[in-house]
Amino acid sequence: NAGVMQNPRHLVRRRGQEARLRCSPMKGHSHVYWYRQLPEEGLKFMVYLQKENIIDESGMPKERFSAEFPKEGPSILRIQQVVRGDSAAYFCASSPQRTDNSPLHFGNGTRLTVT
Amino acid sequence: AQSVTQLDSQVPVFEEAPVELRCNYSSSVSVYLFWYVQYPNQGLQLLLKYLSGSTLVKGINGFEAEFNKSQTSFHLRKPSVHISDTAEYFCAVSGGGTSGSRLTFGEGTQLTVNP
Repeated sequence: NAGVMQNPRHLVRRRGQEARLRCSPMKGHSHVYWYRQLPEEGLKFMVYLQKENIIDESGMPKERFSAEFPKEGPSILRIQQVVRGDSAAYFCASSPQRTDNSPLHFGNGTRLTVT
Repeated sequence: AQSVTQLDSQVPVFEEAPVELRCNYSSSVSVYLFWYVQYPNQGLQLLLKYLSGSTLVKGINGFEAEFNKSQTSFHLRKPSVHISDTAEYFCAVSGGGTSGSRLTFGEGTQLTVNP
């Protein structure tokens, strides 16, 4: 009974490169959320997706960041032309349904370091 | 808009002592409340949740929390802590019109249990 799987666990990129973070939700879950945790801070909402649809991207930076959740395969968070300020832990969470009382199940995160 | 305030960024205690981690929220509508725990280099694990009904909620690892609507608080308590409880604890809120199960987190409280 696998939980939310994120890969890679650690990712190092040089400034200007692209970072791709992957998230496979729990079995039976079709709703995915991405959060970012900067050092010494709490988690900040980025984007909420359902299969093939972006439901809420109000927390996404306007440039360089994009997310998708295709019909087949994992959800992808893509950061283009990374900068040092993008260094953070990125967490994916999933839920089985679109109700606001359904607890989220989190993955172990991808720690991005931009050098 | 919703917000969550965790009143203590760090709480050091001795083993077997009681502990309370404080959380206040702000919302103009009914919400659902959660406490999550994060161990080093891991994702978030759900400790407990308040959805409705009894205001005293029991969770895993001996933790409990009390929802107080008049004081808009949801403090987390444990009568006797162990070394293994050392971790970061996050209070979170959902509902009130936000999309799906999207959570708004507090900044976190680092609980350190000393021998």
